[in-house]
Amino acid sequence: ILNVEQSPQSLHVQEGDSTNFTCSFPSSNFYALHWYRWETAKSPEALFVMTLNGDEKKKGRISATLNTKEGYSYLYIKGSQPEDSATYLCASDNYGQNFVFGPGTRLSVLP
Amino acid sequence: SQTIHQWPATLVQPVGSPLSLECTVEGTSNPNLYWYRQAAGRGLQLLFYSVGIGQISSEVPQNLSASRPQDRQFILSSKKLLLSDSGFYLCAWTNTRAGQSYEQYFGPGTRLTVT
Repeated sequence: ILNVEQSPQSLHVQEGDSTNFTCSFPSSNFYALHWYRWETAKSPEALFVMTLNGDEKKKGRISATLNTKEGYSYLYIKGSQPEDSATYLCASDNYGQNFVFGPGTRLSVLP
Repeated sequence: SQTIHQWPATLVQPVGSPLSLECTVEGTSNPNLYWYRQAAGRGLQLLFYSVGIGQISSEVPQNLSASRPQDRQFILSSKKLLLSDSGFYLCAWTNTRAGQSYEQYFGPGTRLTVT
């Protein structure tokens, strides 16, 4: 079973601050990495699906990078807003069948 | 467009009672289907996944079972619930195509409390 880790476990930032967090995963037999945002009282929603080493994807103020050789991905949020408060999950895709999720990073953006 | 349904939304069951949670997907065919559980203070744990009718893979040994009687129906069951089965259960689906990774779409979830 793959071991996917995320750090930090939680963080609090002020509105307008930029922030980033890390997902680490086994680099051997890499297939794909997913990022999801999980807001309270809602279901997780996909942010990015990343497959190639060096991939960089962006959606609005959120972006992510991928390093498959060393086994990590960074998620960046520029100019955090209160509506960005959520738990951010990464998941390793095992050849399109099962997924292993990290424990998540809980972000709180204070107004 | 595709939608995913889960029911019930909340459930309170006594220890030792049976369980049946249902998940259905509309607007797609031959999806991969997944059951996850989030226990209190923990991340998402994959319980079962299915790549086709009658095909179930179990990730974690436990007193739960899953079945896929139809292409877009996924059922999570237990004959006798344990206190440790309490948690938030999510069903999810993805498209399938060899060589490609697709995002997962999650249902609204079921909050199960075993008393």
